[in-house]
Amino acid sequence: DAGVIQSPRHEVTEMGQEVTLRCKPISGHDYLFWYRQTMMRGLELLIYFNNNVPIDDSGMPEDRFSAKMPNASFSTLKIQPSEPRDSAVYFCASSFSGSVEQFFGPGTRLTVL
Amino acid sequence: GQQLNQSPQSMFIQEGEDVSMNCTSSSIFNTWLWYKQEPGEGPVLLIALYKAGELTSNGRLTAQFGITRKDSFLNISASIPSDVGIYFCAGQLIRGGGADGLTFGKGTHLIIQP
Repeated sequence: DAGVIQSPRHEVTEMGQEVTLRCKPISGHDYLFWYRQTMMRGLELLIYFNNNVPIDDSGMPEDRFSAKMPNASFSTLKIQPSEPRDSAVYFCASSFSGSVEQFFGPGTRLTVL
Repeated sequence: GQQLNQSPQSMFIQEGEDVSMNCTSSSIFNTWLWYKQEPGEGPVLLIALYKAGELTSNGRLTAQFGITRKDSFLNISASIPSDVGIYFCAGQLIRGGGADGLTFGKGTHLIIQP
């Protein structure tokens, strides 16, 4: 079975550019989570969806960040414009309601120069 | 916001030694989880704890959900080289029957010396 799929695995961009990270959750999972991992702050929840609807976006750092889930098999996290302090590893995770286990993707390592 | 204090930050041990790490929180969680992360990968769930006082084992791993619901520990017995990685505790609230995002500790780096 395919796990959570994220693309790209690595992204290097220049400050001011738009960045779009993509996630395909595990089929049948109705929860999708976006996390960010940095050395300073560790793993932080950014936003999560249930049945494609955003439930809690209180972790989204700024208006430059936005996330969408147009259907059950796809979600995007967009940063516009990007800044060097956005450099981090961004993880997508999914779970099935009734289960506490969140399955994480391999992450996207973002570097903003 | 909720914070999890995880300790120790890193551990340097010899193969075969037992390992113990713990997490404390200022908030009560419904569920405690322990994850392991290896380089270049996402965290993988090791153990989930659902009830205060619960003690759960998974092979050489044992974890407990504190009575106060504000703490948890993870023990690894007879460590082996493949145990190397970063171990994270995570707390989860269950609201209205649905899941919630996880609050993670800062992690414990486990390094095994030959």
